[in-house]
Amino acid sequence: NAGVMQNPRHLVRRRGQEARLRCSPMKGHSHVYWYRQLPEEGLKFMVYLQKENIIDESGMPKERFSAEFPKEGPSILRIQQVVRGDSAAYFCASSQTGLADTDTQYFGPGTRLTVL
Amino acid sequence: GENVEQHPSTLSVQEGDSAVIKCTYSDSASNYFPWYKQELGKGPQLIIDIRSNVGEKKDQRIAVTLNKTAKHFSLHITETQPEDSAVYFCATTNFGNEKLTFGTGTRLTIIP
Repeated sequence: NAGVMQNPRHLVRRRGQEARLRCSPMKGHSHVYWYRQLPEEGLKFMVYLQKENIIDESGMPKERFSAEFPKEGPSILRIQQVVRGDSAAYFCASSQTGLADTDTQYFGPGTRLTVL
Repeated sequence: GENVEQHPSTLSVQEGDSAVIKCTYSDSASNYFPWYKQELGKGPQLIIDIRSNVGEKKDQRIAVTLNKTAKHFSLHITETQPEDSAVYFCATTNFGNEKLTFGTGTRLTIIP
């Protein structure tokens, strides 16, 4: 079974550009989570989605950040007008039935975003 | 919200010795406690997890213990090997919540 896939693995953007990060969950998984990791820090929750629905976006900045998980295709985390403070590793995780159903979150390899 | 503290931030042990990493949490409703291993340039990999209805879980050289009264849980690695060198993160969440709150990580170095 392929694990969680993320692309690109590395992304360089200039200030003001848009960054688009993609995540394909494990086969059969309908729950997707995005986390951000700053250098030398732990992961911080951003958003939780199920197919076509945002369930919890309490960790996502109100401006410039958006996420979607369409019926077909990967989940997308979009950052508009990037600033240097957006430089971080962004990890996607997926789950088949969710933690509430005694499942587990499996993480992808991450996208390392660098804003110049 | 939930607050998770992890200690120590760095740990060096001789190969073959045991390593222990401890996390404390603030939310008494927390009921799920996973441990992740992160190697350089990679994503976190689940190594063991425990739910609040048990006090201990073991998988070969790795074990996790949970003390709900004191609100702390620990990762124990026995007979450490060089490939155990990595950053380890604890995390928690509570029932009905899909959001994991992570500790700040422990950089474990195994000295050959």
